[in-house]
Amino acid sequence: DSGVTQTPKHLITATGQRVTLRCSPRSGDLSVYWYQQSLDQGLQFLIQYYNGEERAKGNILERFSAQQFPDLHSELNLSSLELGDSALYFCASSVEFGGGNAEAFFGQGTRLTVV
Amino acid sequence: AQSVTQLDSHVSVSEGTPVLLRCNYSSSYSPSLFWYVQHPNKGLQLLLKYTSAATLVKGINGFEAEFKKSETSFHLTKPSAHMSDAAEYFCVVSALSSGTYKYIFGTGTRLKVLA
Repeated sequence: DSGVTQTPKHLITATGQRVTLRCSPRSGDLSVYWYQQSLDQGLQFLIQYYNGEERAKGNILERFSAQQFPDLHSELNLSSLELGDSALYFCASSVEFGGGNAEAFFGQGTRLTVV
Repeated sequence: AQSVTQLDSHVSVSEGTPVLLRCNYSSSYSPSLFWYVQHPNKGLQLLLKYTSAATLVKGINGFEAEFKKSETSFHLTKPSAHMSDAAEYFCVVSALSSGTYKYIFGTGTRLKVLA
């Protein structure tokens, strides 16, 4: 158990809909990362938050947004969903207090299926 | 810019034989490097990490990796493969970008273990 909790584990929704994925980082970790994993694109970095502030953006679509709350949990919002958004979405957390040595701990992922 | 290349997308070995998964990195400074394993429909689990201490790093489940600066490599090895090692393996470099650290993933190597 990595200590990172993601809910829900599975989500099936229709095209055009909006969903929210939730992530609780490990206790004490201030950084949260979101990744999308699909068969054709591999593991893609979406966005990173550190202590409530956005720190880095990757290949995140404009239809997607995220935030990190004062209690450090994070939510990834996906809207106007398309079939191609079907993927496994991972959240990871790390301590990251200025050095690059800290490893990231991954949750079990949310499998999103858009039908 | 930092990057990581996994030289083999698929590797097949027989049970009981050695495993070698190859990874080359590019970094303008001394990197932190990680290997993660992902079993089917599971999250990513840290196998080991290199953070400029010993160049030979021992990880979980009998895996180890050697950091070779002259070859910019961080290959993952195991003396004797077990059926439970069948999974996808990711080599990761921690990179400083715009004042924060990002994890840059390789494209993954799928390890198949034959009985």
